Order: sequence, then C-alpha cells, then structure tokens
Amino acid sequence: AQSVTQLGSHVSVSEGALVLLRCNYSSSVPPYLFWYVQYPNQGLQLLLKYTTGATLVKGINGFEAEFKKSETSFHLTKPSAHMSDAAEYFCAAMEYGNKLVFGAGTILRVKS
Amino acid sequence: NAGVTQTPKFQVLKTGQSMTLQCAQDMNHEYMSWYRQDPGMGLRLIHYSVGAGITDQGEVPNGYNVSRSTTEDFPLRLLSAAPSQTSVYFCASSYSSHSPYEQYFGPGTRLTVT
Repeated sequence: AQSVTQLGSHVSVSEGALVLLRCNYSSSVPPYLFWYVQYPNQGLQLLLKYTTGATLVKGINGFEAEFKKSETSFHLTKPSAHMSDAAEYFCAAMEYGNKLVFGAGTILRVKS
Repeated sequence: NAGVTQTPKFQVLKTGQSMTLQCAQDMNHEYMSWYRQDPGMGLRLIHYSVGAGITDQGEVPNGYNVSRSTTEDFPLRLLSAAPSQTSVYFCASSYSSHSPYEQYFGPGTRLTVT
C-alpha cells in the first residue's frame, strides 16, 4: 500500500524567506499527488496537484511543487513566505479509486 | 452552491453512546468519503462511496457504519462510541472515482468521547 512521508512536523521561516516543505511517496508506480492546506479550525483546501505531464506544478497563493520520479518526491515551495501562509500542510497520494493517503502533516510557522 | 456541509460542528459523547455525523453535498458528486484526523497522523480514510447504494471500507473502518441512499447524503454512524474515536471527522466529495478529480472537504466535526 502507498505511504506518504512528510519530513518535519514543524517548519519555521521568516516572512519573506523561502518555504520548503518536503514530501516523499513510497510507490514504485508514480501515483497522483496533491498538496492541501488547512487553516485553523477549517477543512482542507487544495493547493495543487500532479497527475501527468509537466513535473513542475503551480498552485494557488504562489505555491508550486516539483514531481521527481527518481527521488520519489513532491516537495512544496514558495519563494517568499507571507504571514497568511501559516497553516498546516498535507501531502497526499491518490490510490486506485480516488482514495487519498495522507502524510502526517507539517505545521508552517511564519515569523515577522 | 453550499459545497460540502457537515453537522454538527462539535459533539461530546459518553462511552457507549451512538450518534450519526451528517454530511451532504450539493454538487452532484459521485464519490464521497469520510476521514478522521488525529494529531501527527494526518487524515485516514474510514469509509467511502462511489455512488448511491455502494459503500466500502477504508483504512480504519472499525466502529463505524455508513450508508448512501441518495447522491447528496453520506452519514457516518458511530455504533458504540469509545474514547479512541475522539477525533476530528471530515467528509469529502469529488466528481467521480474514475479519475484524479479534486476532493472537496467539509469544515469538519470535532468529536470528544468521554
């Protein structure tokens, strides 16, 4: 079965600094990959997804992620952090039948 | 469109009580699912449905029942609540189960079992 690993349960960056959140998946067959964001006491919102085609995927709020098959990775980046980016971020892989397998999540803190 | 709605937002149960968490979507989505979120564990799939009348188990189905009598509704039943079921529960829906369509999540139900 697929598993998703997010390195770092907490990441802290200064406002304006690069954001890098790491995600690795386990399958030898590249799955569909997603990043979701969860603001406090809210549901999950899709940031971006990789299905097929271009390996650099752009999402909402200036985030992007690069699918690297050789590294089984799908890291999320943003060039310049904003205070409003503080939230919990989840990487997920989609198995057959639209079932999502989530990583444990990374809480992003942005310091002023 | 209201999207995916869940009721109640908060619930406290005593061990052994039963209850139903409600989930509805108004997007005519074929696929619906229930997840539970626990600290440090991400979200885990409880049950899912690929259409009215069709349900199946996910990763952590024990202690939960579901049914799907209409396209819009997908209630989750706790038969006899246990403290281990204290969690935040999210319902999600997507257009179809046949392609990687985006899943839309509800706002969640925070359940405490004492």
